[in-house]
Amino acid sequence: EADIYQTPRYLVIGTGKKITLECSQTMGHDKMYWYQQDPGMELHLIHYSYGVNSTEKGDLSSESTVSRIRTEHFPLTLESARPSHTSQYLCASSEHSIPGVSNTEAFFGQGTRLTVV
Amino acid sequence: EDKVVQSPLSLVVHEGDTVTLNCSYEVTNFRSLLWYKQEKKAPTFLFMLTSSGIEKKSGRLSSILDKKELFSILNITATQTGDSAIYLCAHTSGTYKYIFGTGTRLKVLA
Repeated sequence: EADIYQTPRYLVIGTGKKITLECSQTMGHDKMYWYQQDPGMELHLIHYSYGVNSTEKGDLSSESTVSRIRTEHFPLTLESARPSHTSQYLCASSEHSIPGVSNTEAFFGQGTRLTVV
Repeated sequence: EDKVVQSPLSLVVHEGDTVTLNCSYEVTNFRSLLWYKQEKKAPTFLFMLTSSGIEKKSGRLSSILDKKELFSILNITATQTGDSAIYLCAHTSGTYKYIFGTGTRLKVLA
């Protein structure tokens, strides 16, 4: 069973508010990821991290920001939420891989469903 | 550009049917191809494939990879209503990112 946790599970907020979505994992994984998924749509990678103090933007442009100060924690922040940010946000982590060897699977949290009104 | 294309986008079958889900990919520096099942929230891991022609099997589910033709299939035999879900295919590359396809939405009718 994967030990990766996201809070809150559901969030309804007003436009213009600043929010932080929390993601923590207890598996000691180096790599962590944030995906955005609209209902019935594919997962889009918006941020990822290879380790502490390493963050990269994903393939889908996002107005959110992330930080990785501790291995186990990878929060995502929206400085000023808008209705277009309404979506499900999924956090994932995977184990550090040896170069030249295949990756391991990614483990997902339960997601945060965000609604901006 | 790295990408994953899944087909069909949706599928409705009856219990007991066998289904085959398809995943084709384009990636630079391929490392692995993965299948996930997503029911409500979090995708759950099914298989990871790295070598061509070697079938992975778990109960009624099986999957195989063809690295020459750049595709993978996921088979589900004797389907049950509990198999109803979105099945996601993803690949990884040297950048360690997991790039997902649009998924196949499977509905199994009783």
